[in-house]
Amino acid sequence: ETGVTQSPTHLIKTRGQQVTLRCSSQSGHNTVSWYQQALGQGPQFIFQYYREEENGRGNFPPRFSGLQFPNYSSELNVNALELDDSALYLCASSLAVTKKETQYFGPGTRLLVL
Amino acid sequence: SQQGEEDPQALSIQEGENATMNCSYKTSINNLQWYRQNSGRGLVHLILIRSNEREKHSGRLRVTLDTSKKSSSLLITASRAADTASYFCATDPTGANSKLTFGKGITLSVRP
Repeated sequence: ETGVTQSPTHLIKTRGQQVTLRCSSQSGHNTVSWYQQALGQGPQFIFQYYREEENGRGNFPPRFSGLQFPNYSSELNVNALELDDSALYLCASSLAVTKKETQYFGPGTRLLVL
Repeated sequence: SQQGEEDPQALSIQEGENATMNCSYKTSINNLQWYRQNSGRGLVHLILIRSNEREKHSGRLRVTLDTSKKSSSLLITASRAADTASYFCATDPTGANSKLTFGKGITLSVRP
């Protein structure tokens, strides 16, 4: 519906492992934001990328890192997984960081850390 | 931290009734947005109201914003069973980044 896709849809990892989640933004959207949503909570801002550079970060440790590519795709990497990292991870793309435009969310990747 | 606080936490109404959901926030904002989420999946943008606007309509949705009280309300008129979902308000705080700050959400259940 929004033109934003995420993969995989579900993922199971064990504590200490590393994970890479992927997002494909709407064509032409140069800004992507990542959010973590724990069960029963609202999404929490992880970080934002604008033109392939990090453009703001929420209260998440450095083991959460990201990349944005010129083809409107992006990645969220999490190292040294902890049990509390179990959540729904959402990416959202928008047209321009300066215009405060509506963000379009993907369907999310549900990560379970055992 | 979550800036938006929605009220009530849960709402159950009969199909055809109106649903009113409230949101309060703490800091100055550029805009406030309402989103819907079905069954823990992706968020769907419903409506955006800018800080210099007081009321906005979109179909069966009506949103108001009172920046002096730092509060907003979302009204869904003539509700349908398909409106059953979680609803979140999200604020775009003034500042350097275009992040959204979400509340914990309201669970709306519309009984057929």
